[in-house]
Amino acid sequence: DQQVKQNSPSLSVQEGRISILNCDYTNSMFDYFLWYKKYPAEGPTFLISISSIKDKNEDGRFTVFLNKSAKHLSLHIVPSQPGDSAVYFCAASGWETSGSRLTFGEGTQLTVNP
Amino acid sequence: DVKVTQSSRYLVKRTGEKVFLECVQDMDHENMFWYRQDPGLGLRLIYFSYDVKMKEKGDIPEGYSVSREKKERFSLILESASTNQTSMYLCASSPLHEGDEQFFGPGTRLTVL
Repeated sequence: DQQVKQNSPSLSVQEGRISILNCDYTNSMFDYFLWYKKYPAEGPTFLISISSIKDKNEDGRFTVFLNKSAKHLSLHIVPSQPGDSAVYFCAASGWETSGSRLTFGEGTQLTVNP
Repeated sequence: DVKVTQSSRYLVKRTGEKVFLECVQDMDHENMFWYRQDPGLGLRLIYFSYDVKMKEKGDIPEGYSVSREKKERFSLILESASTNQTSMYLCASSPLHEGDEQFFGPGTRLTVL
């Protein structure tokens, strides 16, 4: 039972354009969502997060949108840069889970072409 | 700066061997986690620990065990390695509260022949 799903395994965009990465979840108890970025041969690094009491959070070029009714979140990167090429994971946690446990999606490989 | 270190970046073992993967964090975090990452499957939680000597099963604990004797160290043990345990293993730590981000180590690429 995949509670967090990233339906696009890959995404390719041109440098300077917008990248939109999508994530869907099924567990209505999730109330905190995070995006991580992973380069090959490195561990994931935290990018941005959003609490369920908000519908948008912005940090520089990165914005995360949350649509609770649709159980959907998206990460927007504007403008995209070649250095953004990486695998992006969305993750979710809920108040009922112990120890700050996160549930991750499958990941989306973003390629930004110069 | 939070630092999570893993004992090996690359490891090659034979089927049936006992394998130890070590993880150390230097930020006094209560929670520690072991994941494996496989293409198309994302990060799957194997085991986690929210205190010394405490452990909880994640989504795929079969074939693995863990040990947390000290707060800063969390070990993953493959009692008898099998080829389907060939994977990237990632350790992470986080402070106590829900919603706190997890900090990851660089990963160990384990190959079981």
